[in-house]
Amino acid sequence: EAQVTQNPRYLITVTGKKLTVTCSQNMNHEYMSWYRQDPGLGLRQIYYSMNVEVTDKGDVPEGYKVSRKEKRNFPLILESPSPNQTSLYFCASSLLPSGQNTGELFFGEGSRLTVL
Amino acid sequence: DQQVKQNSPSLSVQEGRISILNCDYTNSMFDYFLWYKKYPAEGPTFLISISSIKDKNEDGRFTVFLNKSAKHLSLHIVPSQPGDSAVYFCATPSGGSNYKLTFGKGTLLTVNP
Repeated sequence: EAQVTQNPRYLITVTGKKLTVTCSQNMNHEYMSWYRQDPGLGLRQIYYSMNVEVTDKGDVPEGYKVSRKEKRNFPLILESPSPNQTSLYFCASSLLPSGQNTGELFFGEGSRLTVL
Repeated sequence: DQQVKQNSPSLSVQEGRISILNCDYTNSMFDYFLWYKKYPAEGPTFLISISSIKDKNEDGRFTVFLNKSAKHLSLHIVPSQPGDSAVYFCATPSGGSNYKLTFGKGTLLTVNP
């Protein structure tokens, strides 16, 4: 089954404790991206990756890091989480960059993160 | 500054009637638009898209209309069903590379039986 898998789905942590949210896709997609969803703010892009070793900032990259060492994986790293990073996070992938052909993103089910 | 605006946070309609969800954008250079649907506790799923070379795209009960002069698009759902109750986001590739997908804030549609 084609899917984007995120882990963990739920996490409560404390300020400053490094954490990683993993994302894996089994569709051989080149493009992967991270979004956060907050009430009243919709979905905002954090980082994206066009392919292995190619990453770039989205609209809200502060406090986050990413890496793309393998095509299927795109982990989101919070080196020193703060309460304002409490949010619902979505990983997504697509065969082509958005804006070309269908531009259809496939999303994971989300990871709800709470930073105390 | 919001590049994609969904000014109605919520919309409630009766089953069988038409649902119209609206989206405005600021940049006339945007040339491709998508609608996503999101149920609680799930990730968004792609619904329908439209290119700026068209003014209408239809897929079953879902039709998207694009008015380029007004920088406005709308999603029509006819007839609406209770299972359509979800948050709907419009989105467009933004930025010079088209590699960023910018979303509106979403509209919560409730279809009442």
